[in-house]
This record gives sequence, structure tokens and C-alpha cells, in this order.
Amino acid sequence: DTEVTQTPKHLVMGMTNKKSLKCEQHMGHRAMYWYKQKAKKPPELMFVYSYEKLSINESVPSRFSPECPNSSLLNLHLHALQPEDSALYLCASSQERSGPTITQYFGPGTRLTVL
Amino acid sequence: AQSVTQPDIHITVSEGASLELRCNYSYGATPYLFWYVQSPGQGLQLLLKYFSGDTLVQGIKGFEAEFKRSQSSFNLRKPSVHWSDAAEYFCAMEYGNKLVFGAGTILRVKS
Repeated sequence: DTEVTQTPKHLVMGMTNKKSLKCEQHMGHRAMYWYKQKAKKPPELMFVYSYEKLSINESVPSRFSPECPNSSLLNLHLHALQPEDSALYLCASSQERSGPTITQYFGPGTRLTVL
Repeated sequence: AQSVTQPDIHITVSEGASLELRCNYSYGATPYLFWYVQSPGQGLQLLLKYFSGDTLVQGIKGFEAEFKRSQSSFNLRKPSVHWSDAAEYFCAMEYGNKLVFGAGTILRVKS
């Protein structure tokens, strides 16, 4: 089973709202990732967690706040977003972060619209 | 710099025709290479991957890819395209414990 689940599927929020995206995997993977994808573009890496610790932050604005409560769960907390933050947010997981074990499995994404 | 290039932004093929999507990489050593497919509004699905060994790799949905070191290429092929193959295809390379993606190729299938 190589399933990564994401909720919600769609999210509309105002610029003053606080919301969270959730990602879950039960493959025993120790690395989890958040990506942002704009239309007609490849995914852009935002954050990487390895063994529940943040290991990469790709200079993402502080209005995006990741959290990894346990090895199966990854959250992305959103606050005071801008309309340009509207995008598809993808979660992925991999067994480890290096070598062949970096094979990443993606969730279906959350389509975020910021009004 | 390490990079992945997909030269074709769009490709249109007839249903039942063969398909080849091009991918070139820039890296000093033998990279780990991947092909993903993405239907509109969906996540990325792993089609196949290459790490080492046999340079012809079989994947899901009847796809295969061939690693050619001399050409720094990892082209994706399918002998007979189905309408359901219409999607965007991304080639990716592992570098620095991250995935480096190509810009993607949008495949259109005409009946």
C-alpha cells in the first residue's frame, strides 16, 4: 500500500483566517514533505520532515507553519495568507531521505483558494 | 548546476500510436531518476524509477523508460497510447536529498 491521504480536498479561506491542512501515511515512512504547485508548473518543495524533525525549510514565509505530531501525520497551518498563495498543496512521504529510499509517494493534494 | 530538462511542453499523439517523452538531466554521477504522472487537479503518481542495473525500466500502466548515460537521458515510452493517458508527465532526479523536477510535458491524446 503506497497511499498518502490529504484533507481537505478543497479549501477556501479569507486572508484573515487560520486553517490547517492534514496529511497522513501508514507506510512506516520516516520522511514527509510539503510541496506547493501552481498551475502548469512542477511542484516546489516547501518543507521536509525527517524522523519527525524539520530538516528543510525552503525559505517559506512564516504564514505557513508545518507540524509533525507523529511519524504518520503532517500538518500545515495557514494564517494570514495572500491570494498568491492559492495553489495545489501536495504532501509526500518516503522511506528515508537519501538514496533509493527517497522514492516519494504523493497524496492527492489540497486545492487552496485564498480570497 | 544539477537540473532536469523536458524539452517538450506539449505533445499530441493519436490513440493507439506510440509515445516517447524526453527527459535530459545534468549531473556528474549516475542519478536516481523518476517519472511521475499527474492528472488535472490530482497528486503525482509514480510511474517508474531507475537507480542502477538494467537500463530499461518497466513501470505501471504499460510504460517503460530507458536510461542512457552517454546521452544523459531517461526517456519515457509507451507502445500504444490510450485516451486515459492524457495527463502531465514529470521527470525528476534525486539531488541533495531532494527531488529536482523537470518543467513537465502535457500529453494530449486525440481519437
